[in-house]
Amino acid sequence: EAQVTQNPRYLITVTGKKLTVTCSQNMNHEYMSWYRQDPGLGLRQIYYSMNVEVTDKGDVPEGYKVSRKEKRNFPLILESPSPNQTSLYFCASSLSLGGEGYTFGSGTRLTVV
Amino acid sequence: GQQLNQSPQSMFIQEGEDVSMNCTSSSIFNTWLWYKQEPGEGPVLLIALYKAGELTSNGRLTAQFGITRKDSFLNISASIPSDVGIYFCAGRTYNTDKLIFGTGTRLQVFP
Repeated sequence: EAQVTQNPRYLITVTGKKLTVTCSQNMNHEYMSWYRQDPGLGLRQIYYSMNVEVTDKGDVPEGYKVSRKEKRNFPLILESPSPNQTSLYFCASSLSLGGEGYTFGSGTRLTVV
Repeated sequence: GQQLNQSPQSMFIQEGEDVSMNCTSSSIFNTWLWYKQEPGEGPVLLIALYKAGELTSNGRLTAQFGITRKDSFLNISASIPSDVGIYFCAGRTYNTDKLIFGTGTRLQVFP
């Protein structure tokens, strides 16, 4: 089944403790992206990647890092999480930047206390 | 970063009613997409629009690409309880090809 898999689904952590949210897609998509969803603000792009070893900042990149060492994986790294990063995170992939819509993962709900 | 203005923010309707929501932008888009997000899941594509004035249906859903290229509308006819969720519009700009999402419309349907 074609899908984008995120892990974990839920995570509660403390301020300053480094964490990684993994994202993997099995569709051989070139384009991958991370979004955060907050009430009243919709989906805001954090980082995106157009191919292996090619990443770029989205609209809200502060406090986040990403890497794209393999085509299928695009982990989101929070080096020193803070409470304002409490949010619902989605990974998405597409055949290309201008491709037909995105396939989204099921989301990771992160709480930073 | 740029966001699309989507309205209304939320709707509480009775089963069987029709629903309308819209999205507006200050920029011209070359593509409009409508997504639905069900509780606990990621958004799923419902309808894609590629030409100004285009009207496209998917079952009880109908979406239109505005003539000005700066807006789009989604209508749901004869709503049912499983229509519950958050509906997002998304637009793609000519110059960057980047997809920008609206703020979402939360729909609740009561039996």
